[in-house]
Amino acid sequence: DTAVSQTPKYLVTQMGNDKSIKCEQNLGHDTMYWYKQDSKKFLKIMFSYNNKELIINETVPNRFSPKSPDKAHLNLHINSLELGDSAVYFCASSQDGTGDQPQHFGDGTRLSIL
Amino acid sequence: KQEVTQIPAALSVPEGENLVLNCSFTDSAIYNLQWFRQDPGKGLTSLLLIQSSQREQTSGRLNASLDKSSGRSTLYIAASQPGDSATYLCAVRGGNKLVFGAGTILRVKS
Repeated sequence: DTAVSQTPKYLVTQMGNDKSIKCEQNLGHDTMYWYKQDSKKFLKIMFSYNNKELIINETVPNRFSPKSPDKAHLNLHINSLELGDSAVYFCASSQDGTGDQPQHFGDGTRLSIL
Repeated sequence: KQEVTQIPAALSVPEGENLVLNCSFTDSAIYNLQWFRQDPGKGLTSLLLIQSSQREQTSGRLNASLDKSSGRSTLYIAASQPGDSATYLCAVRGGNKLVFGAGTILRVKS
């Protein structure tokens, strides 16, 4: 009965490849997020969707494309992977986008680029 | 641009001690502040959320305070236990996104 689940947990791939990370939440939340945690452990917001609509799009290369088929899913596709993309990517959700409710996080996807 | 700093970066204490983790932020125009716990290889678990109009929140052995005007928050952990060992992250919400600090790595020795 995992609340926010991400797949895969680990992803090792070569530079230049295209990969996707999937996220699903069963909390009935309206808002979902993607964060990137770099080697220095800083967590930074990448994208946020509210009811399938994009509401936050930080300064992220356009090689990163989020897709929300429904409000329970937010997937992240990355084209032409680069060495600097190596990080842990976290998906999160919250009741709504107001920020008054806590965010619930998945366990992360550890992406390593060779 | 909001910046969040957490001090100390790492802390090691014997079991049973009371301890304080500090968080400071540069822009006091925030909606709320949230404390998270991150265990190795895991995601973040929300511990406490303090709205900008509140001064503190308590949950069990945890107490978080917020002084918005001075840009500071503290997380107080009473009677620490080895199971409290984790990284503790502070995040402030201004606008529509959370800005995180780098975290404090806590180790409680038995």
